[in-house]
Amino acid sequence: EPEVTQTPSHQVTQMGQEVILRCVPISNHLYFYWYRQILGQKVEFLVSFYNNEISEKSEIFDDQFSVERPDGSNFTLKIRSTKLEDSAMYFCASSSNSGGISGANVLTFGAGSRLTVL
Amino acid sequence: GDSVTQMEGPVTLSEEAFLTINCTYTATGYPSLFWYVQYPGEGLQLLLKATKADDKGSNKGFEATYRKETTSFHLEKGSVQVSDSAVYFCALGSNDYKLSFGAGTTVTVRA
Repeated sequence: EPEVTQTPSHQVTQMGQEVILRCVPISNHLYFYWYRQILGQKVEFLVSFYNNEISEKSEIFDDQFSVERPDGSNFTLKIRSTKLEDSAMYFCASSSNSGGISGANVLTFGAGSRLTVL
Repeated sequence: GDSVTQMEGPVTLSEEAFLTINCTYTATGYPSLFWYVQYPGEGLQLLLKATKADDKGSNKGFEATYRKETTSFHLEKGSVQVSDSAVYFCALGSNDYKLSFGAGTTVTVRA
């Protein structure tokens, strides 16, 4: 069964450092997403990406965050200068459509990248 | 905005017990509703979904019915197994590009 692959599975970094989280979405999917889950809290939407541009982003996704699809397979999330509160599990997801009228947007998620900022 | 509220955990059950996890939602339009499951060390996996009122989603013995009158999508399973131990997330998908998740409910099934 096709799957979304994320690397690294766990990254520890110092506050202020740049971090890049990588994702390989399912090959024929067109929509890509990042979500995050701070320990003990809800899974929160960060950003969606389609046709090489951001479709929607949340308030969390401020100027220190960026996303990129540098080639035909990878989808990356960059955090420019990490803060303690960026410590979370980051999930990448992809879907073959946006849901359309029915809103039936079925996302396939990766296993997550745990980021620990010290 | 759209949001989901689900039953707080953790929930601990014995094998073959009945499981219910409550989920209610607030939405302005006509959302689709989902249950995702996260097994230890794995990603979020779609468990079941329902796209309109009165639809029933089912998978692996789990069921949930989209109740518009009570804005609910409660997850049920009649007889749980140890392998059902996981974190369960209720989620709502509207006409835009994102899902809104509940806080997750940790379920532990003892042999």
